[in-house]
Amino acid sequence: ETGVTQSPTHLIKTRGQQVTLRCSSQSGHNTVSWYQQALGQGPQFIFQYYREEENGRGNFPPRFSGLQFPNYSSELNVNALELDDSALYLCASSLFETQYFGPGTRLLVL
Amino acid sequence: AQSVTQPDIHITVSEGASLELRCNYSYGATPYLFWYVQSPGQGLQLLLKYFSGDTLVQGIKGFEAEFKRSQSSFNLRKPSVHWSDAAEYFCAVGGDPYGGSQGNLIFGKGTKLSVKP
Repeated sequence: ETGVTQSPTHLIKTRGQQVTLRCSSQSGHNTVSWYQQALGQGPQFIFQYYREEENGRGNFPPRFSGLQFPNYSSELNVNALELDDSALYLCASSLFETQYFGPGTRLLVL
Repeated sequence: AQSVTQPDIHITVSEGASLELRCNYSYGATPYLFWYVQSPGQGLQLLLKYFSGDTLVQGIKGFEAEFKRSQSSFNLRKPSVHWSDAAEYFCAVGGDPYGGSQGNLIFGKGTKLSVKP
């Protein structure tokens, strides 16, 4: 157990809808990173937040956005959902170089 | 370009046999290297990491990995596999988050390990 929690565990949405995924960091960690893991693939970096500011972004469109709160928990928002957004979304918290992952939210877009 | 290659998509070994999972990376700066394991439907669990120093690192569950800079490799090994080791294994590379990079991880596509009784 890493102490990183994510909610919800599963979610079903339809194309065009919006979704918000949540992540609670491990105690003491000030950095949260989000990854998308499509079926049969390795995780791909979406973005990272450090002390409430975006600290890097991968190759994802602007309809993927995020927030980090003063308690270092975080949200991932995806607008205008597409079928290809179906994936496992992982968040990871860190204080230094090592990232500790939560169990993920599995999103299915129909 | 920064990348991680795990050449073996699926490996099957007998319980008690030794295991080596291969990982090659391409990274412009000094790499930080990680191995994670993922059970079906679960998140990623850190097995071990290499930042600097001794090139042979020990991890949890009896795993070890060796960093070979000349070969750009970071292979994972275990001398005797247990049935509970069946899972998917991911190699990842990241940069020094305090050295100018953003500290995000680049993952390979994973190697699925099956264990025969």
